[in-house]
Amino acid sequence: ELKVEQNPLFLSMQEGKNYTIYCNYSTTSDRLYWYRQDPGKSLESLFVLLSNGAVKQEGRLMASLDTKARLSTLHITAAVHDLSATYFCAVDMVGNQFYFGTGTSLTVIP
Amino acid sequence: DARVTQTPRDKVTEMGQEVTMRCQPILGHNTVFWYRQTMMQGLELLAYFRNRAPLDDSGMPKDRFSAEMPDATLATLKIQPSEPRDSAVYFCASGLGTGAMETQYFGPGTRLLVL
Repeated sequence: ELKVEQNPLFLSMQEGKNYTIYCNYSTTSDRLYWYRQDPGKSLESLFVLLSNGAVKQEGRLMASLDTKARLSTLHITAAVHDLSATYFCAVDMVGNQFYFGTGTSLTVIP
Repeated sequence: DARVTQTPRDKVTEMGQEVTMRCQPILGHNTVFWYRQTMMQGLELLAYFRNRAPLDDSGMPKDRFSAEMPDATLATLKIQPSEPRDSAVYFCASGLGTGAMETQYFGPGTRLLVL
């Protein structure tokens, strides 16, 4: 059974600090996606990682993929309040069937 | 600005009633997904279509849920009869699936409450 696990599930961090969210998955895949969801809103695509070693950066967020370790990370640099949201990773399996992680609820405290 | 649209945005109904949710994927996208999101279960894939053909609907309760794509611009998800446990937010997403999919674009969701 495919499992996509994120940790931590809840993260409270101060503005200006750095932190990393982890996404582990249990089977082979070289395609991983990160999404953001604001409370009461839909999901917004952040990053698409399509190969081992892929690294993408946008503003204060940087995502990477290690397919050998079946691990993706989402690194937050110098957090600001606007980054408060729930972050999901998703693994693309055979036939483009997406499996989503449990989500990490991030709160950035002034 | 191309977007996935969903109707209705909110639906309140009584147990036993039929519910139909509609989705218009982004023009040119050939893959459509239906998800359900609840606090307890998170995001669950219910069904998805490629070029209007159903590829996987194993996530749907077959006795009450049905999903169709009557044409390339419309996907529907129907619940009959509805039950309180069906209360959730239902998202439709579309993408262009030709091998490695770039990403999925999510609609705003239909918030369903079954009393």
